[in-house]
Amino acid sequence: EIVLTQSPATLSLSPGERATLSCRASQSVNTYLAWYQQKTGQAPRLLIHDASNRATGIPARFSGSGSGTDFTLTISSLEPEDFAVYYCQQRSNWPPYTFGQGTKLEIK
Amino acid sequence: QVQLAESGGGVVQPGRSLRLSCAASGFTFSSYGMHWVRQAPGKGLEWVTIIWYDGSKKHYADSVKGRFTISRDNSKSTLYLQMNSLRAEDTAIYYCARGGGYDYGTFDSWGQGTLVTVSS
Repeated sequence: EIVLTQSPATLSLSPGERATLSCRASQSVNTYLAWYQQKTGQAPRLLIHDASNRATGIPARFSGSGSGTDFTLTISSLEPEDFAVYYCQQRSNWPPYTFGQGTKLEIK
Repeated sequence: QVQLAESGGGVVQPGRSLRLSCAASGFTFSSYGMHWVRQAPGKGLEWVTIIWYDGSKKHYADSVKGRFTISRDNSKSTLYLQMNSLRAEDTAIYYCARGGGYDYGTFDSWGQGTLVTVSS
């Protein structure tokens, strides 16, 4: 089973700042990695698929990069609605599909 | 637009059974693989099971293998999860999710979830 480790666990930033979230895989997942956003009390929402492709309707301030074992989700300038929990997920080696433990992005 | 609506959750005693449903609309249900993903209270996301677009293939997480069964009725655009021998650790919000991409491995649309509580 591929283990995804996200860092940091919590990130405290202010609106307008740049956010950089990391996801590291225990073995290569090529670019078969996605990012999801989950706001409190809501279902997750797909942001990025295949490491760097924004899903439909996702603002351009969200970008993904990486391949192999190291991936980054960047939010270029934080909006108030971006404060949430973010998960990475791999589909390279399954079952099972696995998720990272999440990074909580909170307002500083 | 894509809509997924789960139902069937509730409180159930350990060892008992429950069946969840997920009604799909806004897309051609019979063309997509579908998943169940769960989230224990205050915890992260855990993939549970996938069914192929035509029901021909099914895969399960080890934690539910032999106890849970995924199925679908394409004529009704509905996904199901039969959960037997429920345990306290199965307590979670259960989401159905559409499998996007050529291999159905990206969860591109999610329902609002249904809460299952296993408790005596």
